[in-house]
Amino acid sequence: DAGVIQSPRHEVTEMGQEVTLRCKPISGHNSLFWYRQTMMRGLELLIYFNNNVPIDDSGMPEDRFSAKMPNASFSTLKIQPSEPRDSAVYLCASSLRLAGWETQYFGPGTRLLVL
Amino acid sequence: SQQGEEDPQALSIQEGENATMNCSYKTSINNLQWYRQNSGRGLVHLILIRSNEREKHSGRLRVTLDTSKKSSSLLITASRAADTASYFCAGTMDSSYKLIFGSGTRLLVRP
Repeated sequence: DAGVIQSPRHEVTEMGQEVTLRCKPISGHNSLFWYRQTMMRGLELLIYFNNNVPIDDSGMPEDRFSAKMPNASFSTLKIQPSEPRDSAVYLCASSLRLAGWETQYFGPGTRLLVL
Repeated sequence: SQQGEEDPQALSIQEGENATMNCSYKTSINNLQWYRQNSGRGLVHLILIRSNEREKHSGRLRVTLDTSKKSSSLLITASRAADTASYFCAGTMDSSYKLIFGSGTRLLVRP
């Protein structure tokens, strides 16, 4: 298995532009998570999906952020408009929910820089 | 909003020595997991310990869990330069499947 795939790996954009991050979870996994990682705030859960349905989006910082999971093999995280404070590493993870004990498998992340 | 706090924040040891990292958390957990992150990479799951377990081993890793003290430790024995990474503890609470991560320990193993 190729593992969790994220694209792009690096993104540099200017303030005000729309940014779309993509994630392909491991085949057969039914949960997907988006995290943001910064030096100041560490790892923050933004949103997670189960069976393609958003279960908890309480970590999404504001309306500029949105996430979708149109099918079991694809998810996007969109920032519109982007701001310099959105600069971070965005990690996607997937897992298979099983009796409450689950391991999350992470992608390599997208390093976003907003100028 | 982090659930876990790791101690120390940074650790530098010589290759061959043991490395011990501690994690304390605030609320009851279902399980506690440890992850490793190499620079510029995603997180890799190392080991999971359930709330009814006290100790678990995996290769050179030993994890303990003390639910009365709300703390866990990760011991890496006979460290190698390749163990250089950041290590995070993470727990799930109640019936939620969300992982709440600690702030991490940066481990440097000097050759």
